[in-house]
Amino acid sequence: GAVVSQHPSRVICKSGTSVKIECRSLDFQATTMFWYRQFPKKSLMLMATSNEGSKATYEQGVEKDKFLINHASLTLSTLTVTSAHPEDSSFYICSATTSVNTDTQYFGPGTRLTVL
Amino acid sequence: EDQVTQSPEALRLQEGESSSLNCSYTVSGLRGLFWYRQDPGKGPEFLFTLYSAGEEKEKERLKATLTKKESFLHITAPKPEDSATYLCAVQAPTGNQFYFGTGTSLTVIP
Repeated sequence: GAVVSQHPSRVICKSGTSVKIECRSLDFQATTMFWYRQFPKKSLMLMATSNEGSKATYEQGVEKDKFLINHASLTLSTLTVTSAHPEDSSFYICSATTSVNTDTQYFGPGTRLTVL
Repeated sequence: EDQVTQSPEALRLQEGESSSLNCSYTVSGLRGLFWYRQDPGKGPEFLFTLYSAGEEKEKERLKATLTKKESFLHITAPKPEDSATYLCAVQAPTGNQFYFGTGTSLTVIP
């Protein structure tokens, strides 16, 4: 149980284009979803927290207009990287908590974004 | 200020050589401490949650313990398939904020 999927697993795009990453909870309803960014050999950096039907709460230093987060349903959240630049290249990981256990985060497999 | 510090950064063990990974934290009013395993190019896989000092959790060759300022992940008789990066995270007293350490990269040599 508590399986989280992400799509796509890898994406390569040209500088200036936008990329959408989907995060789905497959066997549970995710009351809260989180988006992280991870650099090589670095820890996970929380970008934003989103609750279904509400606006996402962004961490300090994360540009809201660049990283658009939508949490339209209890099983789906999307992260759109707008006008991507090479410095946005990274590993993006989502996680979710269940309504039963709001403490434990279950992570998706991650999406490797490369901006050329 | 670092909230979570993990040590060592990297650890190489012979198969069967037991050891411990450390996670120390400065977050006050800890709600929970979490251990995850992360394989290269994958998302973290949940291992344990610890809530109070003195608590212990076990799963196969892994045992996690918690004190007021740190947690240990003990690995008994490790196997090559235990090779991975082990991440520690603490949950802030309020809200859903998690603070992650930078991880310990474990390599178990056959």
